[in-house]
Amino acid sequence: GQQLNQSPQSMFIQEGEDVSMNCTSSSIFNTWLWYKQDPGEGPVLLIALYKAGELTSNGRLTAQFGITRKDSFLNISASIPSDVGIYFCAGQVGSSASKIIFGSGTRLSIRP
Amino acid sequence: GAGVSQSPSNKVTEKGKDVELRCDPISGHTALYWYRQSLGQGLEFLIYFQGNSAPDKSGLPSDRFSAERTGGSVSTLTIQRTQQEDSAVYLCASSLGGTGNQPQHFGDGTRLSIL
Repeated sequence: GQQLNQSPQSMFIQEGEDVSMNCTSSSIFNTWLWYKQDPGEGPVLLIALYKAGELTSNGRLTAQFGITRKDSFLNISASIPSDVGIYFCAGQVGSSASKIIFGSGTRLSIRP
Repeated sequence: GAGVSQSPSNKVTEKGKDVELRCDPISGHTALYWYRQSLGQGLEFLIYFQGNSAPDKSGLPSDRFSAERTGGSVSTLTIQRTQQEDSAVYLCASSLGGTGNQPQHFGDGTRLSIL
């Protein structure tokens, strides 16, 4: 079945550093989504990408929908302590929102 | 509130009992989704509703799992004869509609523990 390979699984970086994570798949997706999940809470949508090649920013976050439609990356610039959490990519196939495939997550930890 | 609401937030029950989890979607959202998240894992799709009907039940792990939605709003996920492997966080999400380009908004989940 469809799978998303998200990497890295975890990152431990210094405050102020830039962060980069990505998702790849052997399948083509029509929509890529990036979520952040804090402990005890549901995932919160950060960025949604709807078009191959699209580059979208949300504050210090930037994400891109790969040209091949099989990958996406998320960058966080100048990390701060509140960026700590688990980041999930998700891919959606087709015109229906019925099924969204989630990556296994990237756990971000930051040294102050 | 304005977000997706799930109850209970935590549920501890004995193996073999039935449990019922509730989801109140965002007002006006016609699509509703259930996911399961095991400790340290990503989200596993369970079932999706458009209005009161479930076009895609492919993710339900066994016939012990069922879900319904009434009035195009509240949904309940029922697990019968619970097993220890059912322990997980069950997340509900809603979106404006079942077509593309409608991001899902998640509740905080129900943490289910089977003793």
